[in-house]
Amino acid sequence: AQSVTQPDIHITVSEGASLELRCNYSYGATPYLFWYVQSPGQGLQLLLKYFSGDTLVQGIKGFEAEFKRSQSSFNLRKPSVHWSDAAEYFCAVGAAGGGNKLTFGTGTQLKVEL
Amino acid sequence: GAVVSQHPSWVICKSGTSVKIECRSLDFQATTMFWYRQFPKQSLMLMATSNEGSKATYEQGVEKDKFLINHASLTLSTLTVTSAHPEDSSFYICSARDSGSAPQETQYFGPGTRLLVL
Repeated sequence: AQSVTQPDIHITVSEGASLELRCNYSYGATPYLFWYVQSPGQGLQLLLKYFSGDTLVQGIKGFEAEFKRSQSSFNLRKPSVHWSDAAEYFCAVGAAGGGNKLTFGTGTQLKVEL
Repeated sequence: GAVVSQHPSWVICKSGTSVKIECRSLDFQATTMFWYRQFPKQSLMLMATSNEGSKATYEQGVEKDKFLINHASLTLSTLTVTSAHPEDSSFYICSARDSGSAPQETQYFGPGTRLLVL
């Protein structure tokens, strides 16, 4: 069965500082990987996704993520965080052709200090 | 593009009543939609997969008679919480898979519906 681990429950960074949110997955074959962001009381917005090809994926709002098969990781990065980035971030893994089900990590709450 | 709406955004009901939540894909067709439940400060838990024109597939531990799902068209799925009780209070989120895009595994999420059962 597929699983996702987000080791950091909370992260606090200063505005303008760089950000890296960690995500490790467990899946037997090549996974489909996603990062979503959720603001309080809202649904989830897709930041970026990886299916195949270039392992460095660019997303919206200046985010990027790198797929590292050897480390089973898909970490999310942003070079300079803005106060509006404060939210909950979820990493998810989907099985190729596996009924399109997504398995979510427990999320990382990002706080941005001004 | 790829917008999913939910209605209502929040609902308060009395214990024992039924509540229907709608999930619509506004600018694409979705043969498959998903219903999730999210408890405060927790991750999303998949409840069921809704397939247009067929019965929904429920995850283990989810009562199908309690949470009725109907996917009557390519743009609409409904979740009805029957005989709601306070423990059903939660944030319900739907997602839709774009049937016309490739690969099709990307899910687009609605804004969620907060249910409070008194």
